[in-house]
Amino acid sequence: GIQVEQSPPDLILQEGANSTLRCNFSDSVNNLQWFHQNPWGQLINLFYIPSGTKQNGRLSATTVATERYSLLYISSSQTTDSGVYFCAGKETSGSRLTFGEGTQLTVNP
Amino acid sequence: DGGITQSPKYLFRKEGQNVTLSCEQNLNHDAMYWYRQDPGQGLRLIYYSQIVNDFQKGDIAEGYSVSREKKESFPLTVTSAQKNPTAFYLCASSKTGVRSGAAPQETQYFGPGTRLLVL
Repeated sequence: GIQVEQSPPDLILQEGANSTLRCNFSDSVNNLQWFHQNPWGQLINLFYIPSGTKQNGRLSATTVATERYSLLYISSSQTTDSGVYFCAGKETSGSRLTFGEGTQLTVNP
Repeated sequence: DGGITQSPKYLFRKEGQNVTLSCEQNLNHDAMYWYRQDPGQGLRLIYYSQIVNDFQKGDIAEGYSVSREKKESFPLTVTSAQKNPTAFYLCASSKTGVRSGAAPQETQYFGPGTRLLVL
């Protein structure tokens, strides 16, 4: 199966700062998704982004499928952005999503 | 409100006991999934089902069993064969299974999770 590597593993920001989270895949993937897990464990789907760029408020994501990576941008971070961000993808011949280990984000006031 | 519900929120298991975690969705989704999350780790797939009366093993199916008798429901049983069941269990659903290629209907939506602890 594919390997999903997320970086950085931990990130601490001051409120208002910008950040970039990265997700690398060991092989070609489709069905690439970004999720946010809040401190209570709830996972929310942020983006379905197999290729290209999407924006949703202060968050945007870019996937370069040919180079097997995706980026999640958080601008003007807020304390409510804290939590763990996961990316997940499906290899082109596969039938299930593989998740990365996540990036733990802490935004301090 | 449409969504995915999981119950109970916390579950305690005694040695040698089987326990069942409930997952219900009213999103009219065809596919449902069970994941296990250990502290500080990512999600690992236990079982998934793309259609009623059919399901497939994921990466860590040993010690678990599922059924999919109704579209809305996908219960997970943690059997006594699972020697290290303490974890956070997450149920998810999507309109279609990941095999379909019909994006973005493969977007997965998650329930609030069940924390299982061993006494």
